Amino acid sequence: DSGVTQTPKHLITATGQRVTLRCSPRSGDLSVYWYQQSLDQGLQFLIQYYNGEERAKGNILERFSAQQFPDLHSELNLSSLELGDSALYFCASSVVDRGHVQYFGPGTRLTVT
Amino acid sequence: GESVGLHLPTLSVQEGDNSIINCAYSNSASDYFIWYKQESGKGPQFIIDIRSNMDKRQGQRVTVLLNKTVKHLSLQIAATQPGDSAVYFCAETPGGGGGSNYKLTFGKGTLLTVNP
Repeated sequence: DSGVTQTPKHLITATGQRVTLRCSPRSGDLSVYWYQQSLDQGLQFLIQYYNGEERAKGNILERFSAQQFPDLHSELNLSSLELGDSALYFCASSVVDRGHVQYFGPGTRLTVT
Repeated sequence: GESVGLHLPTLSVQEGDNSIINCAYSNSASDYFIWYKQESGKGPQFIIDIRSNMDKRQGQRVTVLLNKTVKHLSLQIAATQPGDSAVYFCAETPGGGGGSNYKLTFGKGTLLTVNP
């Protein structure tokens, strides 16, 4: 158990809908990262937050947004969902000075039908 | 891009043998190189890291080698066990202090199967 929690574990929704994925980092970790894992694109970095502020952005679609709250939990919002958004979404967290050592949650499997 | 999953490079070894998993990276500016292990149905798990100013680092049963000249990273697992069966990803990051950019760029992964 990495100490990172993600909810829900599975999510099935229809095209055009909007969903919110939630992540709680390990106790004390200020950085939160979101990744998407799909069969065709592999593991792709989406976005990083550090203590509530956006720090780095990757291949994140404009339909996707994220935020980190004062209690350090983070949410990833996916809107106008398309079939191609079906994937595993992972959240990870790290300490400040060893950010390359990231602890991943169990993931949320999103299926868009 | 190249597919993961069904088209993953695979390595099959016998229990007790040593395993070597290779990775080519692309960014000369990366400061940290990391190996992650992903078991079926789970998130990636950190194994070992190496900084760009080193060429070898050893952990418990694992060794990472970095060759910056040819941008190559390898993971050696000694006395491979059935519990080592998983997908192994190399990753790189520019790094940075104060919580700055630590986004990980992952390789495509290698599926390691350990036969008892």
